[in-house]
Amino acid sequence: AQTVTQSQPEMSVQEAETVTLSCTYDTSENNYYLFWYKQPPSRQMILVIRQEAYKQQNATENRFSVNFQKAAKSFSLKISDSQLGDTAMYFCAFMKQAGGTSYGKLTFGQGTILTVHP
Amino acid sequence: EAGVTQSPTHLIKTRGQQATLRCSPISGHTSVYWYQQALGLGLQFLLWYDEGEERNRGNFPPRFSGRQFPNYSSELNVNALELEDSALYLCASSLGPGRSQPQHFGDGTRLSIL
Repeated sequence: AQTVTQSQPEMSVQEAETVTLSCTYDTSENNYYLFWYKQPPSRQMILVIRQEAYKQQNATENRFSVNFQKAAKSFSLKISDSQLGDTAMYFCAFMKQAGGTSYGKLTFGQGTILTVHP
Repeated sequence: EAGVTQSPTHLIKTRGQQATLRCSPISGHTSVYWYQQALGLGLQFLLWYDEGEERNRGNFPPRFSGRQFPNYSSELNVNALELEDSALYLCASSLGPGRSQPQHFGDGTRLSIL
């Protein structure tokens, strides 16, 4: 079974600064996908960024980028130029590649509450 | 394009009753997933439907069940409600199995058991 751990229950950052959220995972799989989702107070889960494990290049989406270290099973999210609208709960999630009983299932970490201060 | 829509927004029930939650996926998506977000327990995978069939099930008792209709919308039914079933129930959809398409979530249904 896979597990995802987010060791930072809460983080805060000043507007326009950079913040990094940590995520580690445990799996025996070699092929999988990793995701970061954000859940603002409005409660809708929004996909922030996705990383395929077979890709060595770190994924980027505008101000959001990841540091994917496969050997260390680490998947951190960096938010640059933080904005007030980035205030949300951030979840790291794992999904096994096709096949097997855990296919299709997202396994989430406990979440990190990020507050951006003006 | 319209996102994943869930209804109702909030549902209040008492112990022992049954609850039905509904989800309409993004147009073109064939897979629907259900997750429970309970306080202190985080997000837990419940069910996955694709093309009308149940493809995977999380570690939940049989009183949690569902189905997917020919138009790919889905229902989650919870029988014999217990206080611990109080949670936010999130539905997600994707383009279907294969290539691990990302899941897109709805706003959720808040189920409160009195």
